[in-house]
Amino acid sequence: EAGVAQSPRYKIIEKRQSVAFWCNPISGHATLYWYQQILGQGPKLLIQFQNNGVVDDSQLPKDRFSAERLKGVDSTLKIQPAKLEDSAVYLCASRPTSGTYNEQFFGPGTRLTVL
Amino acid sequence: SQQGEEDPQALSIQEGENATMNCSYKTSINNLQWYRQNSGRGLVHLILIRSNEREKHSGRLRVTLDTSKKSSSLLITASRAADTASYFCATPSQGGSEKLVFGKGTKLTVNP
Repeated sequence: EAGVAQSPRYKIIEKRQSVAFWCNPISGHATLYWYQQILGQGPKLLIQFQNNGVVDDSQLPKDRFSAERLKGVDSTLKIQPAKLEDSAVYLCASRPTSGTYNEQFFGPGTRLTVL
Repeated sequence: SQQGEEDPQALSIQEGENATMNCSYKTSINNLQWYRQNSGRGLVHLILIRSNEREKHSGRLRVTLDTSKKSSSLLITASRAADTASYFCATPSQGGSEKLVFGKGTKLTVNP
């Protein structure tokens, strides 16, 4: 079974530029998450999708961050414009719908550096 | 916030020794999960323990849960250099919700 795929793996941009990250979850996983992990900290949830609908985006900085999951499969996370404090690893995770306790499966992440 | 807090923040041991990491949380939960993150990689699920379980084993891993103290521990026995990683506990943000809240992690270094 293929894992969660993310691209790019690394991205360096200057502040005020735009950037987009892509995630392809495990086939059949209806729930998809985007996390932000700042160096030395645990992942923080940005947004949760169930199929192509948003379940929770309470911690997404909506003035600069946006995310979509067209057709309920792949997802993109965009930052526009980027700030220095956005430097972090952006992790995508997915899980199947069934069951209450199912683990989350994480991709390798995209390391973003904002200069 | 429901965030779990791991202790210690960093741990350095020799190969073959046991490593114990602790996690404390604030409100009632129905499960607690432990994840591992190797440097530069994504998180990997290690083990899930339900609130009605007190102890769970998986290979060299042993997890305990004390709901009265709102704490959990992860024990890695006979550690190997490959166990070098950061370990995170994760709890549902509201009881049994799908949304997980992660602690800051324990960085484990196993010296050969």
